[in-house]
Amino acid sequence: EAQVTQNPRYLITVTGKKLTVTCSQNMNHEYMSWYRQDPGLGLRQIYYSMNVEVTDKGDVPEGYKVSRKEKRNFPLILESPSPNQTSLYFCASRRGTSTNTGELFFGEGSRLTVL
Amino acid sequence: EDQVTQSPEALRLQEGESSSLNCSYTVSGLRGLFWYRQDPGKGPEFLFTLYSAGEEKEKERLKATLTKKESFLHITAPKPEDSATYLCAVQQKRGGKLIFGQGTELSVKP
Repeated sequence: EAQVTQNPRYLITVTGKKLTVTCSQNMNHEYMSWYRQDPGLGLRQIYYSMNVEVTDKGDVPEGYKVSRKEKRNFPLILESPSPNQTSLYFCASRRGTSTNTGELFFGEGSRLTVL
Repeated sequence: EDQVTQSPEALRLQEGESSSLNCSYTVSGLRGLFWYRQDPGKGPEFLFTLYSAGEEKEKERLKATLTKKESFLHITAPKPEDSATYLCAVQQKRGGKLIFGQGTELSVKP
């Protein structure tokens, strides 16, 4: 089954404790992206990657890091989480590069709470 | 500034009561407009892509249309299982960035 898998789905942590949210896709997609979804603000892009070893900032990259060492994986790293990073996070992927109009496939989401 | 505005924010319908959701956009070069459905606790699920004014797409009770300034998602004779948040997004021609609207939360009561 084609899917994007995120882990963990739910996480409560404390300020400053480094954490990683993993994302893996099994569709051999070149493009992967991370979004955060907040009430009243909609989906906002954090980082994206057009292919292995190619990453770039989205609209709200501050406080986040990513890496793309393998085509299928695109982890999101919060080096020193703060309460304003409490949010619902989605990983997404699609075939092709950023100029492609192919549909995005989303993961189930990771709800993060930073105390 | 490129932006997407969806209205209404929330819509309550009785089963069988047809209606439309609106997505207004301003973008410097439209590559495509997307509609997604999002159920509570789930990731958005792709519904349609529209590329040019006048284009229409249909799927079961849903029909999406596109003009140069807005898109409509028409829901004909909705059922309770159509209850979800519907997201609209536009893709910029230059760079391919997706810009999402804030969504319309649809509730269909039996």
